[in-house]
Amino acid sequence: GAVVSQHPSWVICKSGTSVKIECRSLDFQATTMFWYRQFPKQSLMLMATSNEGSKATYEQGVEKDKFLINHASLTLSTLTVTSAHPEDSSFYICSASTRTGRETQYFGPGTRLLVL
Amino acid sequence: QQPVQSPQAVILREGEDAVINCSSSKALYSVHWYRQKHGEAPVFLMILLKGGEQKGHEKISASFNEKKQQSSLYLTASQLSYSGTYFCGTAIKAAGNKLTFGGGTRVLVKP
Repeated sequence: GAVVSQHPSWVICKSGTSVKIECRSLDFQATTMFWYRQFPKQSLMLMATSNEGSKATYEQGVEKDKFLINHASLTLSTLTVTSAHPEDSSFYICSASTRTGRETQYFGPGTRLLVL
Repeated sequence: QQPVQSPQAVILREGEDAVINCSSSKALYSVHWYRQKHGEAPVFLMILLKGGEQKGHEKISASFNEKKQQSSLYLTASQLSYSGTYFCGTAIKAAGNKLTFGGGTRVLVKP
């Protein structure tokens, strides 16, 4: 149980284009989903927290107009990197949790974004 | 503020033990431990809640000292599969289920 999928796993795009990443909880309903980015050999940096049906809460320093998050249902959240630039290249990982009282986050397999 | 993990890296021989520490400057509600292998997403190992301790996952166990805001992860009789980067994620009550991750501890288990 507690499987989270992400799509795509790899994406290469040109500078200035927008990229959408999907995060799905496959066998549970995720009341909360989180989006992280991770640079090589570094820790997981939380970008934003999204709850189904409400606006995402962004961490300090994360541009909400650049990283659009939509949590349309209890099993799907999307992250859109708008007008991507080379410095946006990174490993983006989503996680999902349920309101079980244990607050465990289950991570998706991640998406590698390379902006040329 | 990010929790501090120590050591940053450790090299073990198969069968040896190791301890990874995670310290926070804030009063913690829970501590979560994850292991990440190169190029993959973190895998949940266990959660330690305030007022209790939960063990699980192979020969890996953990403790949580609420007074000191510290948690330790114990790798016992390490196996080759234990290699990877271990992260602690800490939660404070006011932040709901948001986790702040430490810098990670790289573990390499050699035959």
